[in-house]
Order: sequence, then structure tokens, then C-alpha cells
Amino acid sequence: DAKTTQPTSMDCAEGRAANLPCNHSTISGNEYVYWYRQIHSQGPQYIIHGLKNNETNEMASLIITEDRKSSTLILPHATLRDTAVYYCIVRDIQGAQKLVFGQGTRLTINP
Amino acid sequence: GAVVSQHPSRVICKSGTSVKIECRSLDFQATTMFWYRQFPKQSLMLMATSNEGSKATYEQGVEKDKFLINHASLTLSTLTVTSAHPEDSSFYICSELGPNTEAFFGQGTRLTVV
Repeated sequence: DAKTTQPTSMDCAEGRAANLPCNHSTISGNEYVYWYRQIHSQGPQYIIHGLKNNETNEMASLIITEDRKSSTLILPHATLRDTAVYYCIVRDIQGAQKLVFGQGTRLTINP
Repeated sequence: GAVVSQHPSRVICKSGTSVKIECRSLDFQATTMFWYRQFPKQSLMLMATSNEGSKATYEQGVEKDKFLINHASLTLSTLTVTSAHPEDSSFYICSELGPNTEAFFGQGTRLTVV
């Protein structure tokens, strides 16, 4: 079972920052937070991951709360091509390492 | 990130026939690959984990004799849907573990069984 809770859908205006929340209140010490997105009829695309520190790459920023029970993915300047389903996944990188997907957030970027 | 090539992207087959889907790791030797299935408007469902040179580990409820997985080399894993039926029509996606534990996904295969 997925260990995360995300809003079903969100809208954001083009050019604005899109902030996608995720709750993972049962996360354990060995588990990382991963974000992926899936554009319609394609395979998921890796975005970013982190353990406890905030992370930033060319695609997005990941803010993880100090208690690690929630996180926010930030797309700083959303474009129409960022319209997709965004999945927040908690994963233990030891052992089986499998990714279990929840329902994700359907983000729509509006012109 | 790593490049995963999945073929075919689309396939239509007759009920009762078998279909093979290939997943190739183009720039990384993937010890572990995952196979997922996705029905319309639903999330990805993990079907099985394949490790190079050993038998695949199937998730609960997935028939191992129907969904044959072979991971004979570090760059190729295959999923064969045997005796396909219309209810097997779905979007099948493979994934490999990258060097920094992130997973990279193939483009997916849309299977339609008629």
C-alpha cells in the first residue's frame, strides 16, 4: 500500500510556482521521499528525491519538514508542459527498493 | 538519467495469443528491473521485480504463469503475456534502478487484446 496522501487535483497558472503537498506521516528513518510525474500515456519521469534536507535540481525543489511527515514539491515557473500526474512516493532504498505508487495529484497548468 | 527503451509501444493481439514486451537498459547495467501495469485513469500497479539471473518476484495476485518475466542479461528484461484475454488489455511499463537508487521508466507498451 502507498504510504503517502496527496490532493487528487490542483490547478496553477502558467508562469507561477506550483506547490504540490504530500503527507507521509508514517515514514521511517530509512525511507526517502521520491517524486515522479507521468504525462499522459508515457512512462513516469523521475523528478527529485530526498531524505531530510531540502533538495533542488534543474526541474524542481523538494522541501521536507523537520519531522519528515510531509513534503512539498515546488515547480518554480510552471509551464503548460508541466501538466501531468505527480506522484509522491516513500521508499526504503535498502531491501527490495520497489516503488509503490499512490493515486498522485493531477496538476493542470492553465494559460 | 538512465535511458530505458521499451518495445513495442503499441500492440494489438488476438485473444489466446502471447505477446512479448522488451525492456532494454541502454546506458546502464540494470541488476533489478520492475514491471508495472496501469489501467485507464488508475495509478501504476507493481506486478513483479526481476533480478538478473534469478527468478522474478511477483506481487500478490499476479499470476506468474501468465506473466512470464525473463531477465537473462543486465541490459534486457522481457515480459510475456501468455494466452492473452481482453481483460489483460492495459498499459505495461518497465523500470530499472539507476546508479543513485532512483528508478527510470520505459515509454510503456499499450496492449490491446481483441
